Amino acid sequence: GDSVTQMEGPVTLSEEAFLTINCTYTATGYPSLFWYVQYPGEGLQLLLKATKADDKGSNKGFEATYRKETTSFHLEKGSVQVSDSAVYFCALSRYNKLIFGAGTRLAVHP
Amino acid sequence: EAQVTQNPRYLITVTGKKLTVTCSQNMNHEYMSWYRQDPGLGLRQIYYSMNVEVTDKGDVPEGYKVSRKEKRNFPLILESPSPNQTSLYFCASRRSGGADTDTQYFGPGTRLTVL
Repeated sequence: GDSVTQMEGPVTLSEEAFLTINCTYTATGYPSLFWYVQYPGEGLQLLLKATKADDKGSNKGFEATYRKETTSFHLEKGSVQVSDSAVYFCALSRYNKLIFGAGTRLAVHP
Repeated sequence: EAQVTQNPRYLITVTGKKLTVTCSQNMNHEYMSWYRQDPGLGLRQIYYSMNVEVTDKGDVPEGYKVSRKEKRNFPLILESPSPNQTSLYFCASRRSGGADTDTQYFGPGTRLTVL
């Protein structure tokens, strides 16, 4: 069945470091792909999405490119801030639900 | 402000005591859904509803009930809660027609503890 695999966390970085969180998926067809973010004590917020191969989603300095050939949707940011500390979820849209990865916790230190 | 609201945000209860978690959205979305979030498992769908009076099971429906009598509301009912239902619950909604039909908008979450 369809699934999403994310790199295990936690990921610990210093402020202004480069961030990559890996995400790969298994699915038939070409589902839409998403990154959601969960800040401490809050609900899920949509960070970015891509709906077809080679699309790049971007928001708040984060980017992810829909790579069909490698079935990946890695999240990147060139310079992280302390305020980016959160749990990041990769997800794909399938029929009437979102299928989520396990989540990756990011901690950014000053 | 467009939003999905849930109540209560936090709940501690005991085994077997029926409870309801409410969910409401003000975006006129046809589709609504419930997920539970557990460490290491991400979010898993419990139930979803395509429209009023239309509901269906998700991946982990055991021990839960839902109803959709109004378009804006989608309550989650635990008739006899058990400790394995201790979790963080999220309600979500999305539109079913027009643009951007695959983006789901989430509520703030309800943290439930069953003793």
